[in-house]
Amino acid sequence: AQSVAQPEDQVNVAEGNPLTVKCTYSVSGNPYLFWYVQYPNRGLQFLLKYITGDNLVKGSYGFEAEFNKSQTSFHLKKPSALVSDSALYFCAVRDGSRGSTLGRLYFGRGTQLTVWP
Amino acid sequence: KAGVTQTPRYLIKTRGQQVTLSCSPISGHRSVSWYQQTPGQGLQFLFEYFSETQRNKGNFPGRFSGRQFSNSRSEMNVSTLELGDSALYLCASSFDQGEQYFGPGTRLTVT
Repeated sequence: AQSVAQPEDQVNVAEGNPLTVKCTYSVSGNPYLFWYVQYPNRGLQFLLKYITGDNLVKGSYGFEAEFNKSQTSFHLKKPSALVSDSALYFCAVRDGSRGSTLGRLYFGRGTQLTVWP
Repeated sequence: KAGVTQTPRYLIKTRGQQVTLSCSPISGHRSVSWYQQTPGQGLQFLFEYFSETQRNKGNFPGRFSGRQFSNSRSEMNVSTLELGDSALYLCASSFDQGEQYFGPGTRLTVT
């Protein structure tokens, strides 16, 4: 079975400081991992993905994430947070194996990131 | 390229009624998925369509149904609405097995 855990409901960080939003996953086959961001009253916006290759993935708006197979983690990071980064962040996983449940994404509960000035 | 569009954006219905939501995917995307988002349950998968065929379904009652047309546009229908169906319904499209791109959602309120 596939699942995602985001252990922190809230992350607070000062503008200019580095931020980390944590995600661990469980998948029966090959993990395809994604991060999305949601602003109030909006849909989810794609940030970045890991399918294969380099463990450090770079995405939109200066975000990056590190895939760690042994720890089954895919933490989202940014070297210098902005107030405009304040939003709800979701980690998602899909089983990328052939014959898997195809397009279905399994989401974490979300982490509310607040960056204060 | 235009993004995923969903109509209507907001909807208010009463219990027992039915509702149809529409989704137009990004041009060229043949896979369309639907999700329900609520504060209590988070994001839950409803179903996925590819080339007019439902190829995956989540754990929702039969009141929830959907379909996809030959132009990849998709609709979902909820019959006999219940108060608990109040949610943000999100549609997402993808090309092959890549990342999914989400629409702005339809906010359904059942009174």
